[in-house]
Amino acid sequence: DQQVKQNSPSLSVQEGRISILNCDYTNSMFDYFLWYKKYPAEGPTFLISISSIKDKNEDGRFTVFLNKSAKHLSLHIVPSQPGDSAVYFCAATESGTASKLTFGTGTRLQVML
Amino acid sequence: DAGVTQSPTHLIKTRGQHVTLRCSPISGHKSVSWYQQVLGQGPQFIFQYYEKEERGRGNFPDRFSARQFPNYSSELNVNALLLGDSALYLCASSLVSGLEVGQFFGPGTRLTVL
Repeated sequence: DQQVKQNSPSLSVQEGRISILNCDYTNSMFDYFLWYKKYPAEGPTFLISISSIKDKNEDGRFTVFLNKSAKHLSLHIVPSQPGDSAVYFCAATESGTASKLTFGTGTRLQVML
Repeated sequence: DAGVTQSPTHLIKTRGQHVTLRCSPISGHKSVSWYQQVLGQGPQFIFQYYEKEERGRGNFPDRFSARQFPNYSSELNVNALLLGDSALYLCASSLVSGLEVGQFFGPGTRLTVL
């Protein structure tokens, strides 16, 4: 059973526009959520995270929104840049447990010139 | 500063063999986690070790085992390899156990089982 789902395998966005990547989860015990970016032949790189006590966290061009009632989070990238082209993974964990991350299947973002 | 390093980069084995993958965490990091990423899927948690003790285990068979050494490096062992074990194996390190942010991933070891 897929506890973290990213239903869009790919997304294409024009440079300078907003990229919105979505993620849904089913496990109500998850209380911390993270986004990772992955380039080919590299390991995932941490981007931004959010605790369940918040509904928004912002870091530069990246903003993560959390809707606990809908068990949904999204990553907004504004403005999108060609260097943002990568696979983005949503991950979730329960605080207080071991550093066990449950990942989604990823969304491939392509930012076009 | 060196990031998380993993060896080997690539590995080809045949069914039934065993394999040992190695990981060196970032200096000062005491927690190491292992993940398996099958093509087209997200990474799946296998183990976490902190201060040389197992602190978490994912839903993997007993053919998978791991250990952490006094210098905090780690090995992942897989016995009786199956074709389905072909995957990218990722190691991640962090400063302390249970920390939700700051897991730093290595580039992975690509294992192919023929």
